Amino acid sequence: DQQVKQNSPSLSVQEGRISILNCDYTNSMFDYFLWYKKYPAEGPTFLISISSIKDKNEDGRFTVFLNKSAKHLSLHIVPSQPGDSAVYFCAASEGKYIFGTGTRLKVLA
Amino acid sequence: NAGVTQTPKFRILKIGQSMTLQCAQDMNHNYMYWYRQDPGMGLKLIYYSVGAGITDKGEVPNGYNVSRSTTEDFPLRLELAAPSQTSVYFCASSYLTSPPGELFFGEGSRLTVL
Repeated sequence: DQQVKQNSPSLSVQEGRISILNCDYTNSMFDYFLWYKKYPAEGPTFLISISSIKDKNEDGRFTVFLNKSAKHLSLHIVPSQPGDSAVYFCAASEGKYIFGTGTRLKVLA
Repeated sequence: NAGVTQTPKFRILKIGQSMTLQCAQDMNHNYMYWYRQDPGMGLKLIYYSVGAGITDKGEVPNGYNVSRSTTEDFPLRLELAAPSQTSVYFCASSYLTSPPGELFFGEGSRLTVL
């Protein structure tokens, strides 16, 4: 029973364009959402978060959007850079953190 | 800044052997977690702890045990290793805050059971 889902296992984007990574969840009790970035052979690192009382949070090139009625969040990266190539995980919290399966982003130079 | 430290980084076990994955954090975080990452399966929560002396099961606890005798340490024990436990294990920690704080992860421990 996957409570947090990332339905796209991979995504390729041209450098300078927008990357959009999507995440769906089923548990309406989740009150906080986070995005993590993971490079090979390293632990995940925190990228950006959003509280359930907001619908948008922006940090530099990264923006997270939350649509509570659709139980959907997305991460926008603008402009995409080759260094953004990594696996991106969304996570949701109701005390403990539940992670999605990840999306592998490849930014082409 | 050590952050979250996991040992060992790599280990090969035979079926039926036991071992302990060590995790230590020096940030005085209340919460600590153990996750496993299987290929294409994301991060699954094994066990977590909200403070010394308190632990609770996550999504996939079978075959594992944990203890939290101090704030700093959260070891994960495999009693009878099975091939299904071949995975990369990540320890993480966070503050108890409202809203929840970010998770800080260790670099991972790659375990192979043959």
